Amino acid sequence: EVVMTQSPATLSVSPGERATLSCRASQSITSNLAWYQQKPGRAPRLLIYGASTRATGIPARFSGSGSGTEFTLTISSLQSEDFAAYYCHQYNKWPRTFGQGTKVEIK
Amino acid sequence: QVQLVQSGAEVKKPGASVKVSCKASGYTFNSYSITWVRQGPGQGLEWIGWISVHNGNTKYAQKVQGRVTLTTDTSTSTAYMELRSLRSDDTALYYCVRGGGLAPDYWGQGTLVTVSS
Repeated sequence: EVVMTQSPATLSVSPGERATLSCRASQSITSNLAWYQQKPGRAPRLLIYGASTRATGIPARFSGSGSGTEFTLTISSLQSEDFAAYYCHQYNKWPRTFGQGTKVEIK
Repeated sequence: QVQLVQSGAEVKKPGASVKVSCKASGYTFNSYSITWVRQGPGQGLEWIGWISVHNGNTKYAQKVQGRVTLTTDTSTSTAYMELRSLRSDDTALYYCVRGGGLAPDYWGQGTLVTVSS
């Protein structure tokens, strides 16, 4: 199966700063990658699909990039509501798989 | 608006079975597949399976293969996940999600399944 590895596990960032989250696939998944945000006690929310396309209603401060095996989620200027866990997910091959997550916390 | 409403929390003994339902509304049920994802206490997301509502094709994670069955009822726009031979490490919040052939998008609220003797 495709192993998705996210880094770092925890990212401490001050409000207003940029956050950069990484996701690496163990083999090429072309651009079939999604990013999800999850807040405590809530279901995940789709942020990005196709590696770089924002889902409906997602603010422009969220951007995704990459293809093949290396992917990045960038939050350009962190707002208080952005402190959460983020997961990458590949939907190129079966079985589908998720990364282990990156927690973005307030510095 | 798209909604996926799941059944309520379950407490089961080891070795028992559980069946979680997921009722969809706000879109054409037959036009999207359904993915099931679980999240153990304090853990990350784990993909457990996918079903095509159109033709019933399924895919399962190896970890639950042989113990899980995904089905749908198009007459009620409801998807089901049945997990058998439950063990303690099946304790988790189970989510249904619309889609999965492409990026899954809308998530249910989750169903907590607790396995305890």
